[in-house]
Amino acid sequence: KNEVEQSPQNLTAQEGEFITINCSYSVGISALHWLQQHPGGGIVSLFMLSSGKKKHGRLIATINIQEKHSSLHITASHPRDSAVYICAVSLGKNAGGTSYGKLTFGQGTILTVHP
Amino acid sequence: DTGVSQDPRHKITKRGQNVTFRCDPISEHNRLYWYRQTLGQGPEFLTYFQNEAQLEKSRLLSDRFSAERPKGSFSTLEIQRTEQGDSAMYLCASSHRDEQFFGPGTRLTVL
Repeated sequence: KNEVEQSPQNLTAQEGEFITINCSYSVGISALHWLQQHPGGGIVSLFMLSSGKKKHGRLIATINIQEKHSSLHITASHPRDSAVYICAVSLGKNAGGTSYGKLTFGQGTILTVHP
Repeated sequence: DTGVSQDPRHKITKRGQNVTFRCDPISEHNRLYWYRQTLGQGPEFLTYFQNEAQLEKSRLLSDRFSAERPKGSFSTLEIQRTEQGDSAMYLCASSHRDEQFFGPGTRLTVL
């Protein structure tokens, strides 16, 4: 079983729809990251969170530490949101209080938004 | 542009050849990471530097792989005697604390 599981693996939506991508993890973490990857490879960090909820524009990320679960929501989806969305976790903290650093990734969710 | 840069962006090589990739992190970032991503999968951790010290290596990093960060700035990843299974996107990221910033990646194709 992978330490980070995402669902769904593929998601198709019509422009304007509300989208939810889910991420579950099985280990203790110091932070959870939501990343966006467009064709060609470049990865952009969308959110880093360790509790609660964060919002940036039409994107909202939530995390429930007790349930080891996070969701990424996109409101009023647009074709330019089409990309791969990847959940990743940082595991543990060192004595200095910062994370060990390396990320463990989910397999990604391929989102296609049609006009 | 002050983001993470990688060179080359694409590399095609024949099996058995050696290849070297370079990553230039954001200048004030003391941490540098290498990841590998195969088609349809999420990235996988390869190795991690804090300044010039290589603090962790994945079991994925066989003896044919070596990484350096000689002055705590740029890093190189060398693959010796490449195999077709090495074909992947090699991603570099840097950070000052927890948030990582990714480069555009180097896509390696081994024929």
